[in-house]
Amino acid sequence: DQQVKQNSPSLSVQEGRISILNCDYTNSMFDYFLWYKKYPAEGPTFLISISSIKDKNEDGRFTVFLNKSAKHLSLHIVPSQPGDSAVYFCAASVGAGANSKLTFGKGITLSVRP
Amino acid sequence: GAVVSQHPSWVICKSGTSVKIECRSLDFQATTMFWYRQFPKQSLMLMATSNEGSKATYEQGVEKDKFLINHASLTLSTLTVTSAHPEDSSFYICSANRGTGKGEQFFGPGTRLTVL
Repeated sequence: DQQVKQNSPSLSVQEGRISILNCDYTNSMFDYFLWYKKYPAEGPTFLISISSIKDKNEDGRFTVFLNKSAKHLSLHIVPSQPGDSAVYFCAASVGAGANSKLTFGKGITLSVRP
Repeated sequence: GAVVSQHPSWVICKSGTSVKIECRSLDFQATTMFWYRQFPKQSLMLMATSNEGSKATYEQGVEKDKFLINHASLTLSTLTVTSAHPEDSSFYICSANRGTGKGEQFFGPGTRLTVL
């Protein structure tokens, strides 16, 4: 049973436009959510996170929105750049402590066309 | 930023041999490290939680005698795949949390294991 779902396997957008990556979760105990970016044969790189006490967190071109009632979060990248092309993983945890385990979605492959 | 390294980055071995993978936190101390494996085009699956000075906690379905984890210091955790078989071929990634309360784990670059 997948607790974190990224239902769209891929997304293609034009450079300069907005990329919207979606993620849904089923475990209501999750209270901390993260987005990671990953290139092939490399480890994931942390992008941005959000606590369940917030509904939005912004860092430069990246904004994460959380809708707790819908158990849904999304990552917005504006403007999209070719260098953003990668696999994006949504992850969730119960708590944000050093021992908190992350549950990952299957990832979305983002392609940004020049 | 926090840096986590892994060694080796790739390894090819014969079936039946054992392979050790090291995970180091280079600029912070980590009482807890995590080991994941990733199959092609799949998600990262947590295998075990490595705790400094104590036994690792394994996820359901992961054989603890097959995947030996040792967390000997605050900056080093090792994963040994014992008696490796072709089905153990995968991408193994470790991570560590700095313990700042922000929750993000920092990942190593991964180790590609191929068992012939």
